[in-house]
Amino acid sequence: QKEVEQNSGPLSVPEGAIASLNCTYSDRVSQSFFWYRQYSGKSPELIMSIYSNGDKEDGRFTAQLNKASQYVSLLIRDSQPSDSATYLCAVNDNNNDMRFGAGTRLTVKP
Amino acid sequence: DAGVTQSPTHLIKTRGQQVTLRCSPKSGHDTVSWYQQALGQGPQFIFQYYEEEERQRGNFPDRFSGHQFPNYSSELNVNALLLGDSALYLCASSDTGDYYEQYFGPGTRLTVT
Repeated sequence: QKEVEQNSGPLSVPEGAIASLNCTYSDRVSQSFFWYRQYSGKSPELIMSIYSNGDKEDGRFTAQLNKASQYVSLLIRDSQPSDSATYLCAVNDNNNDMRFGAGTRLTVKP
Repeated sequence: DAGVTQSPTHLIKTRGQQVTLRCSPKSGHDTVSWYQQALGQGPQFIFQYYEEEERQRGNFPDRFSGHQFPNYSSELNVNALLLGDSALYLCASSDTGDYYEQYFGPGTRLTVT
């Protein structure tokens, strides 16, 4: 069974801090990795994608991938109350089979 | 640039009935995937359509079927509805050559009573 695991949280950080979200996956042939943000009652919104080992930065977001450890993370710098949402990790093995974790709920406190 | 659209927004059905949900992909996208998201869970992959064919299927029974039209829009059909089918149904579209980045529509909230 191919699994994508996330800490369900809730993760609470003060405004302006760095939020660190983690995800592990079980299928070693996974090739594409994604982070989605989902506000309560809304659909998931793609915020980051990463395909090779290392870091990828986009504004306040940094995705980190370590295929050897089967680990992908998302860092949110200068966290804002508007970042409060559930963050979903998704993994694709290039067989068109996208698997999602259950999500980590993040709360940024003013 | 129109994003992914889905209809209807909400739907209430009775156990045993059949339902059809609709999705139009983002402009330029040719692949449509359907997901079921139960409360507090991540989306679960139902199936994916490309070139009007089902290309991949998740662990869902045959009661779940779909179709893709020549204009890339898609339908999800669920027969013999069960109470457990109550969920948010999400459609996501992608461009086959774009590393499988998928963009979601607003979803259809299905309630089975």
